[in-house]
Amino acid sequence: SAVISQKPSRDICQRGTSLTIQCQVDSQVTMMFWYRQQPGQSLTLIATANQGSEATYESGFVIDKFPISRPNLTFSTLTVSNMSPEDSSIYLCSVSFTGTGGLGYTFGSGTRLTVV
Amino acid sequence: QKEVEQNSGPLSVPEGAIASLNCTYSDRVSQSFFWYRQYSGKSPELIMSIYSNGDKEDGRFTAQLNKASQYVSLLIRDSQPSDSATYLCAVNMNQAGTALIFGKGTTLSVSS
Repeated sequence: SAVISQKPSRDICQRGTSLTIQCQVDSQVTMMFWYRQQPGQSLTLIATANQGSEATYESGFVIDKFPISRPNLTFSTLTVSNMSPEDSSIYLCSVSFTGTGGLGYTFGSGTRLTVV
Repeated sequence: QKEVEQNSGPLSVPEGAIASLNCTYSDRVSQSFFWYRQYSGKSPELIMSIYSNGDKEDGRFTAQLNKASQYVSLLIRDSQPSDSATYLCAVNMNQAGTALIFGKGTTLSVSS
């Protein structure tokens, strides 16, 4: 399975600022996914990032707020823009892979964001 | 709208007992089903995946899938305190690698 390095692991940010989260994968993957996990909640899909095309956003998430870059098959960034305290969450990237056991999904270690 | 439903719990079982976690999903075309374990402050880790009707066993864990009933479950035998975590059921529509849709998770507490 793929190994994902995600950074930063945590950050405390002022409202109105932006934070860019990076995910580096140790192998080439077609699709990368970005999730948000609000306190005490499950994972909600923000967008799917394909290399060479614009990300596809889920309902309730917009590009101006969560711009995503996918410059190559091993790297992606998610920016949380113009932050407010409601953006305080854990953000996770994920990739899919096909291994000996079939289809699987790996997650980065997450970025714990606190907006003050 | 695709939905994945789980009982939020908490589910409490004594050490050594069987813990049974349940999940239903709304989209009949769903093809792949996953159970993840998430400890507080950590990212999800894959426990089991299942793609065909029936049972799939891996150590103390058994996943059961019934596509006709749109139901998937996870049994944990000989539960240990270290199994105490939130268990997330996740579903995707096909095997081409589209994103997972997660349930809200069930919190399991195993008492010693």
